[in-house]
Amino acid sequence: DAKTTQPPSMDCAEGRAANLPCNHSTISGNEYVYWYRQIHSQGPQYIIHGLKNNETNEMASLIITEDRKSSTLILPHATLRDTAVYYCIVRVPDSGGGADGLTFGKGTHLIIQP
Amino acid sequence: SQTIHQWPATLVQPVGSPLSLECTVEGTSNPNLYWYRQAAGRGLQLLFYSVGIGQISSEVPQNLSASRPQDRQFILSSKKLLLSDSGFYLCAWSVWVGSSYEQYFGPGTRLTVT
Repeated sequence: DAKTTQPPSMDCAEGRAANLPCNHSTISGNEYVYWYRQIHSQGPQYIIHGLKNNETNEMASLIITEDRKSSTLILPHATLRDTAVYYCIVRVPDSGGGADGLTFGKGTHLIIQP
Repeated sequence: SQTIHQWPATLVQPVGSPLSLECTVEGTSNPNLYWYRQAAGRGLQLLFYSVGIGQISSEVPQNLSASRPQDRQFILSSKKLLLSDSGFYLCAWSVWVGSSYEQYFGPGTRLTVT
């Protein structure tokens, strides 16, 4: 899996959009960008993934640059409950074969300020 | 809907004692199941995965073992705990989302070996 680089921490005001960057300059053509988050003392939570088009779901939006070397996760209206460590991962999609364990780095600790 | 259960939530065990952590899933059949460990201040490490009853693959040689006696039950065990076994143990299962399988995590068990 390609390596990713994320800032160790970020602050965001409650109600504002939180924009979390991720660099993945060595991403391969068949690798997707995935985002997970982990709230303190809880298991990681899947957020969103994409290949090259921008994606949106009920939790967040994912913006991938045209060269696919970086991406941004956007939480449009951050709340205090969004305080968590956010992990950006690039990997070939899990085909269900079972061997596709996730590897998380240090991630970005996002702190939402009241 | 599908849910995943883990127990106990927290556990304090002395060095040399045995360990048994249980994970069960509801609302699906024949899921891929995973055990991860997250040591303090470190990333997520895949320990075992299973694609079916009695089928266990180990990713990291260690003091632990896993078993899958039933389709929706995954057990993590040790005969003699070491101090280095302390950590946050997470069970996960994979679900098809959009274009690939995604992993969803249980609430975790925090193990402290004293």
